[in-house]
Amino acid sequence: DVKVTQSSRYLVKRTGEKVFLECVQDMDHENMFWYRQDPGLGLRLIYFSYDVKMKEKGDIPEGYSVSREKKERFSLILESASTNQTSMYLCASRGTISYSYEQYFGPGTRLTVT
Amino acid sequence: AQSVTQPDIHITVSEGASLELRCNYSYGATPYLFWYVQSPGQGLQLLLKYFSGDTLVQGIKGFEAEFKRSQSSFNLRKPSVHWSDAAEYFCAVGPVNTDKLIFGTGTRLQVFP
Repeated sequence: DVKVTQSSRYLVKRTGEKVFLECVQDMDHENMFWYRQDPGLGLRLIYFSYDVKMKEKGDIPEGYSVSREKKERFSLILESASTNQTSMYLCASRGTISYSYEQYFGPGTRLTVT
Repeated sequence: AQSVTQPDIHITVSEGASLELRCNYSYGATPYLFWYVQSPGQGLQLLLKYFSGDTLVQGIKGFEAEFKRSQSSFNLRKPSVHWSDAAEYFCAVGPVNTDKLIFGTGTRLQVFP
């Protein structure tokens, strides 16, 4: 089974702090994704990566950056956290061999910025 | 623009009742279609998917969905709901030749005993 893990289930940070959210997948997937989930808005794509050191902006990249130094790890960085970044963050991965576009999700990190 | 609409924000059913969750999409061709479920505090789990072929697809946990091209719909159904089905359900569209999935805003299902 594909396993996607996220470093923290719950995180509380202060405004202005630099925040790192880590995601690791164990299936050698090429593609990895970061979403944020807010009530009534569903999932919105922040960034995705289709290979090591490659990244593309999603629909809401402002205020975020990402890093992918190794194939299995995809990090989301909040350079200076703000209260409007309080949200649930979901990481996902997908392989290219199946051509199915099915994404596998981690359990999520609920981030609170105070 | 491509989009996914889940018109029901919140649905309440009694345990044992049948269930249908609606999903409509807007896309110029037949996309890949998915239903995911999210239990409280958890990530998303794939219930089922449609790419081509038989328009009625079976998934896990007794769920099924029917693709209707003429209606641009991909509704999720279950004949008899269990209390453990209480969760949030997301429909998603994967347009061909892109890496992205487009998600609906979700339907929260509440099940009464």
